[in-house]
Amino acid sequence: NAGVTQTPKFRILKIGQSMTLQCTQDMNHNYMYWYRQDPGMGLKLIYYSVGAGITDKGEVPNGYNVSRSTTEDFPLRLELAAPSQTSVYFCASSIAGEYNEQFFGPGTRLTVL
Amino acid sequence: RKEVEQDPGPFNVPEGATVAFNCTYSNSASQSFFWYRQDCRKEPKLLMSVYSSGNEDGRFTAQLNRASQYISLLIRDSKLSDSATYLCVVSNTDKLIFGTGTRLQVFP
Repeated sequence: NAGVTQTPKFRILKIGQSMTLQCTQDMNHNYMYWYRQDPGMGLKLIYYSVGAGITDKGEVPNGYNVSRSTTEDFPLRLELAAPSQTSVYFCASSIAGEYNEQFFGPGTRLTVL
Repeated sequence: RKEVEQDPGPFNVPEGATVAFNCTYSNSASQSFFWYRQDCRKEPKLLMSVYSSGNEDGRFTAQLNRASQYISLLIRDSKLSDSATYLCVVSNTDKLIFGTGTRLQVFP
């Protein structure tokens, strides 16, 4: 099992550009999450999904969009990138919600210039 | 008040030392509690779950005090490889709330 995979590992965007961060898990987990982590800060939840076709906002959803068409994939879309979106983005999955361990992908380091 | 609060450290300790971290949480309805470990520039990984009765995993002991809403992590006989950031994590409905972490540096 590969676990949770994320692509790309690194990306530099110009202000106003858009991109999609890819996340795939092969553990058949229902729950998937997107976090961002700024330097020296904790993880902040952007969006999460409790199953295919269901998504919900987290703490910091502005400037992002998600979709969940399959159990395996949970892409995060950045529209009109801004310098404030410079961060490390982690995708995670778990079997269910709050009672279960979350497994994280290796992260995507995004810089917006 | 933050939902999960931790002392950011760093805690600088020599090899073989015992070190303890505390964490407080604000939501009295939280049901699940965890400690995650995050190495520099890496993803967080589960270190251990925290149970009401307290639990131990080798050199690591976790305690939960629901009345005072705090969680602790004790590391005995510290190793160089224990150097990392330790994240206190508390549940909130379908989600986990992560503290900002406590940095530990173990020196020879």
